[in-house]
Amino acid sequence: GESVGLHLPTLSVQEGDNSIINCAYSNSASDYFIWYKQESGKGPQFIIDIRSNMDKRQGQRVTVLLNKTVKHLSLQIAATQPGDSAVYFCAENIGPNYGGSQGNLIFGKGTKLSVKP
Amino acid sequence: DTAVSQTPKYLVTQMGNDKSIKCEQNLGHDTMYWYKQDSKKFLKIMFSYNNKELIINETVPNRFSPKSPDKAHLNLHINSLELGDSAVYFCASSQVARPNSPLHFGNGTRLTVT
Repeated sequence: GESVGLHLPTLSVQEGDNSIINCAYSNSASDYFIWYKQESGKGPQFIIDIRSNMDKRQGQRVTVLLNKTVKHLSLQIAATQPGDSAVYFCAENIGPNYGGSQGNLIFGKGTKLSVKP
Repeated sequence: DTAVSQTPKYLVTQMGNDKSIKCEQNLGHDTMYWYKQDSKKFLKIMFSYNNKELIINETVPNRFSPKSPDKAHLNLHINSLELGDSAVYFCASSQVARPNSPLHFGNGTRLTVT
């Protein structure tokens, strides 16, 4: 399954399939992007980040792709598991980068990922 | 062991009251934040403090006043609570000096104003 972006807030996938969550960011001057995962009743948890001088970064079972031409960010989750069920947020850093902090993060609306066993 | 802890987890109060939410981080980070998450899950930064100094202050009513007694603590005091203040408030911290340093969030305080 593939999310077509923030306008589709839910994504349902079968356990074991790959998931792709998309995000359109707003500011061409943004130089740092982050994906967060938020489980019910918990705070957002950092997954992976990428700087604007890169177009791909891989972590454990996750890959983030950045297309600056169309201001698009995606999160790919390989072999999706029930524990991946959560709301996923992309965020961009568009403000003054105070010493490398992510303080001026602008969060997207979030996509809810549901994994069917 | 909790890295960023905030209390209380739930807060139910009536309009017009004054309440505080406390936050502490044991990560040794220099910067702390308050975020507000509305009923549609939209997350928006409210304040940011670096070494007890305010560095970000978004358009937030002045009924909201953050206080940072030291760099490990950032409390949020809200005066004259209104119905629209109902939301989940998240505290977060980051190590400013390190590049690519992620924000660490607490588990939130769900504020309900009746």
